[in-house]
Amino acid sequence: GAVVSQHPSWVICKSGTSVKIECRSLDFQATTMFWYRQFPKQSLMLMATSNEGSKATYEQGVEKDKFLINHASLTLSTLTVTSAHPEDSSFYICSAVGIEKPYGYTFGSGTRLTVV
Amino acid sequence: KQEVTQIPAALSVPEGENLVLNCSFTDSAIYNLQWFRQDPGKGLTSLLLIQSSQREQTSGRLNASLDKSSGRSTLYIAASQPGDSATYLCAVRPGQAGTALIFGKGTTLSVSS
Repeated sequence: GAVVSQHPSWVICKSGTSVKIECRSLDFQATTMFWYRQFPKQSLMLMATSNEGSKATYEQGVEKDKFLINHASLTLSTLTVTSAHPEDSSFYICSAVGIEKPYGYTFGSGTRLTVV
Repeated sequence: KQEVTQIPAALSVPEGENLVLNCSFTDSAIYNLQWFRQDPGKGLTSLLLIQSSQREQTSGRLNASLDKSSGRSTLYIAASQPGDSATYLCAVRPGQAGTALIFGKGTTLSVSS
């Protein structure tokens, strides 16, 4: 149990366009979802925390107008990178947690974004 | 502020060796601790999760221990194999419910045949 599906797994887009990444919990209700960004050979950097039905909480230094997060249901959260630039190229990973369960947080498989 | 440190940053061993990866955290008030594996360009695979009340967890050739009072955890890998080559990440969940995991920078393991 506890599967999180993330799509797309990779995407290439042109500068100035927007890209949407989806994160779905397949077999549990995700009360909270997290979005991380990972630079090459670095650890995961938390970008924002989203709870179903409420606005996301962004970490310091993360532009909320550039990285739009929507958590409209208990099984889906989306991250939209708006007006993407080459410096937004990175690996983005989502994570979800449901009602208190001992198996901890579940991660998606990640999305490799390349902005050209 | 909770900080997680992993030592060593990289490790190269020949096949068959037993090895230990270390993780330390500054605030002992944690809900649980999780070890993950990440292959290059891939997502995270959960290996072991230890609740704050537990001392260790085992899965196959993997054993993770937790000493909450001293802020330390170790991941023991027995009889290492080339397929174990990956980056291993340690993450703690703060005591508060619904808070994000805090990650260490990882240990990159290379097992040669």
